[in-house]
Amino acid sequence: GNSVTQMEGPVTLSEEAFLTINCTYTATGYPSLFWYVQYPGEGLQLLLKATKADDKGSNKGFEATYRKETTSFHLEKGSVQVSDSAVYFCALSDGKTSYDKVIFGPGTSLSVIP
Amino acid sequence: DTEVTQTPKHLVMGMTNKKSLKCEQHMGHRAMYWYKQKAKKPPELMFVYSYEKLSINESVPSRFSPECPNSSLLNLHLHALQPEDSALYLCASSQMEGNEQFFGPGTRLTVL
Repeated sequence: GNSVTQMEGPVTLSEEAFLTINCTYTATGYPSLFWYVQYPGEGLQLLLKATKADDKGSNKGFEATYRKETTSFHLEKGSVQVSDSAVYFCALSDGKTSYDKVIFGPGTSLSVIP
Repeated sequence: DTEVTQTPKHLVMGMTNKKSLKCEQHMGHRAMYWYKQKAKKPPELMFVYSYEKLSINESVPSRFSPECPNSSLLNLHLHALQPEDSALYLCASSQMEGNEQFFGPGTRLTVL
C-alpha cells in the first residue's frame, strides 16, 4: 500500500540556518504530494504541493521538488525563522477515488532558536 | 470564504455524556473528513463523506457517530466515550478529484 517516510526529529536549528526535512514515499501510479504544517495548538495548513514529476512547490520561502526517480519530496528553506517552529507533515494522495484519502508521514518537529 | 470552522474549540466531557462536534465550510467542497490526532502523531482518518454520503468509516467505534446534514455541515456525535478518546479532532474538506484538503483548527476533547 501507499506510505510516506520522513525524518522524525526533533530538529533544532538556529535562526537563519538552512533547513532540509527528508521525505520519501511509496505509491503506485502518480500521486500528488503535499507538505502540511501544524503550528502549536492549531490545525494543519497546506504549505505547498506538487502534482506531477519535476514540479516544484513553493510557499513562504519553503520549496520541495517532486522527484519520481528517487520517490522523494524533500522540504527546504534557505533561512529559517523562529516563527517556523512547528510540526511538518509530508503527505500523499493517489487521487484515484472521488475524494482524497491522504496518507501522512509521522511528522517532523522543528524548533528554531534565536 | 476559504476556511473550515469548528466548534467548540475545547470540550471536556464525562464518560456518560452525549456531546457533538460541529464543522462548517462554505467553499463548495463536496468531500468532508473527520480525523483524530493524538499528541506528536499524524492525523488518523476516521470518516469521509462524499456528496453528503458516508464513503469511508475507518473501523471507528460506534460511540462516534458522524452526520452530514448538508453539503456545508459535518457533525460528529459523541456518546459513552473513554478517556483514551481524548485527542484533537480535526475536520477537513476538499474538492473532488485529487485536490488538497483544507483543515479546521480542531476541537480539543478531554474525556474524564
